[in-house]
Amino acid sequence: AQSVTQLDSHVSVSEGTPVLLRCNYSSSYSPSLFWYVQHPNKGLQLLLKYTSAATLVKGINGFEAEFKKSETSFHLTKPSAHMSDAAEYFCVVTRDSSYKLIFGSGTRLLVRP
Amino acid sequence: EAGVTQFPSHSVIEKGQTVTLRCDPISGHDNLYWYRRVMGKEIKFLLHFVKESKQDESGMPNNRFLAERTGGTYSTLKVQPAELEDSGVYFCASSQLAGVSEQYFGPGTRLTVT
Repeated sequence: AQSVTQLDSHVSVSEGTPVLLRCNYSSSYSPSLFWYVQHPNKGLQLLLKYTSAATLVKGINGFEAEFKKSETSFHLTKPSAHMSDAAEYFCVVTRDSSYKLIFGSGTRLLVRP
Repeated sequence: EAGVTQFPSHSVIEKGQTVTLRCDPISGHDNLYWYRRVMGKEIKFLLHFVKESKQDESGMPNNRFLAERTGGTYSTLKVQPAELEDSGVYFCASSQLAGVSEQYFGPGTRLTVT
């Protein structure tokens, strides 16, 4: 079975400071991992994905995530938060070639001016 | 290119009534998915269409839910009769290919059953 755990339901940072959103996964198979973001009244947007190539994955808007098999983690980071980063972020796992996305419970990111 | 659109954005109905949600996928996307987020829970897969055929409806909660995709274009998800526990946000997504092809999501329909 596969699952993801997002360790923080809410994260608050000041603008210009680093962002860390934590995600741990459980998978019996070689996983594919994603981060999606949802801004208010918008659809979920793919930030980045890991599919067994490079373990450090770069995404849009300056975000990146590192796949650490030994720690079963896929944390999302950004060096410097911007006000426009305020949104809800979802860590997602799926089995290779599977279309069924398995979502974490989401982390709301608040960016303080 | 237009993204995935969903209608309505919000719906408030009484228990026992019927509601139909609509999803228009990105043009040319054969694969269409429905997901649901019940209050405070994770987003969960409901079903998958390839063109007009249901490929996987393993996530549908019960037989009060009926999804269709006539002609392989837009899709509808009908809830009849609605129950309180059906409240949540219903997301639609589409992709060109199945598998680990990017799924493009709509903004969701927020359903409230009172």
